[in-house]
Amino acid sequence: DIQMTQSPSSLSASVGDRVTITCRASQSISSYLNWYQQKAGKGPKVLIYAASSLQSGVPSRFSGSGSGTDFTLTISSLQPEDFGIYYCQESYSIPWRFGQGTKVEIK
Amino acid sequence: EVQLVQSGAEVKKPGESLKISCKGSGYNFTSYWIAWVRQMPGKGLEWMGIIYPGDSDIRYSPSFQGQVTISADKSISTAYLQWSSLKASDTAMYFCAREEYSNGRSAYYFDYWGQGTLVTVSS
Repeated sequence: DIQMTQSPSSLSASVGDRVTITCRASQSISSYLNWYQQKAGKGPKVLIYAASSLQSGVPSRFSGSGSGTDFTLTISSLQPEDFGIYYCQESYSIPWRFGQGTKVEIK
Repeated sequence: EVQLVQSGAEVKKPGESLKISCKGSGYNFTSYWIAWVRQMPGKGLEWMGIIYPGDSDIRYSPSFQGQVTISADKSISTAYLQWSSLKASDTAMYFCAREEYSNGRSAYYFDYWGQGTLVTVSS
């Protein structure tokens, strides 16, 4: 099975900061990588699919890049509503795997 | 509006059976895969398995094969996750999610999620 590793596990940043979260796959997954945001007690919300495609309705401050084994999610200017846990997820081979999550806090 | 509405929280004893549900609306239920995802307390997301309600094709994660049963009733646009004998370690939040396929990017992702069903198993 493919293993997904995110870093950092948590971060604290100020409003307006540029934030980057990385996700590494244990083998090449081409561009089959999705990013989700989850807030406490809610189902996740897709932000980016296929590594770099912005889901409809998601603010343009979110962007994704990467291919193969290394991927990044960038928030260009952190907003107060961006707190939560961010997960990457591969859709290269079943069973789909998620990263362990990155908790984003607002300073 | 696409919605996935899950059944309410459950409190069960070890050894009991349980079936939770996920009702889809606002789209053609038979044309999209529905996945089940587990989130244990304070932990991350785990993909359990997926069903295509159109023909009930099912795929399980090896970690959950034999531990749970996934099914669907397309006549009422509802997917199910069931256990025959619960354990304390089944205590978790369970989400259903619709799998979308992007033709342009040839990629799958979960575009709509249910609100979650909290299952608590305790003696």
